[in-house]
Amino acid sequence: AQKITQTQPGMFVQEKEAVTLDCTYDTSDQSYGLFWYKQPSSGEMIFLIYQGSYDEQNATEGRYSLNFQKARKSANLVISASQLGDSAMYFCAMMRDIIQGAQKLVFGQGTRLTINP
Amino acid sequence: EAQVTQNPRYLITVTGKKLTVTCSQNMNHEYMSWYRQDPGLGLRQIYYSMNVEVTDKGDVPEGYKVSRKEKRNFPLILESPSPNQTSLYFCASSHRGRIQPQHFGDGTRLSIL
Repeated sequence: AQKITQTQPGMFVQEKEAVTLDCTYDTSDQSYGLFWYKQPSSGEMIFLIYQGSYDEQNATEGRYSLNFQKARKSANLVISASQLGDSAMYFCAMMRDIIQGAQKLVFGQGTRLTINP
Repeated sequence: EAQVTQNPRYLITVTGKKLTVTCSQNMNHEYMSWYRQDPGLGLRQIYYSMNVEVTDKGDVPEGYKVSRKEKRNFPLILESPSPNQTSLYFCASSHRGRIQPQHFGDGTRLSIL
């Protein structure tokens, strides 16, 4: 079974600083995908970034990058130059690579990030 | 604009009164899914659909029904809601494929009294 662990329930960061949100995962699969989602206080779930287990380069999307260390089974999200609007709950999630089936996302418990002015 | 639209966004209702939460996507996605989010339990999959007329149970299907008569719509039906179904519900969609990012609706906050 897949499991995602986010060990930081909450983080407080000064505006403009970079922040790293931790995510470790457990799976016996060789092929899988890792995702990060952002959930603002308004409640919606926003897709941020994706990393495939066979991707050799770390994924980047604007100010977001994913620090993928396969041997350590970690997929940390790095937000550069944080902004007040980055304050939200952040979820790490995993999906198995299967030909037929649920395409189910397994989520971690989330990290609440607060950006201070 | 590409989006997943859920309605209603908020609903307070009473035990036993049938309700339907609608979900519609305009991205021609084959795959659609429902999740519920609860404090301490995270997000859990309720039902999913890989295409029209193809649906299957997720991890927590009890008390829910779904249908997929059209590609764009995937309603969630609570035939006899109970207080333990009070939750934040999300519909998600993606292209069918082995690993695809799922795009979520804005969520529906249901309170069953």
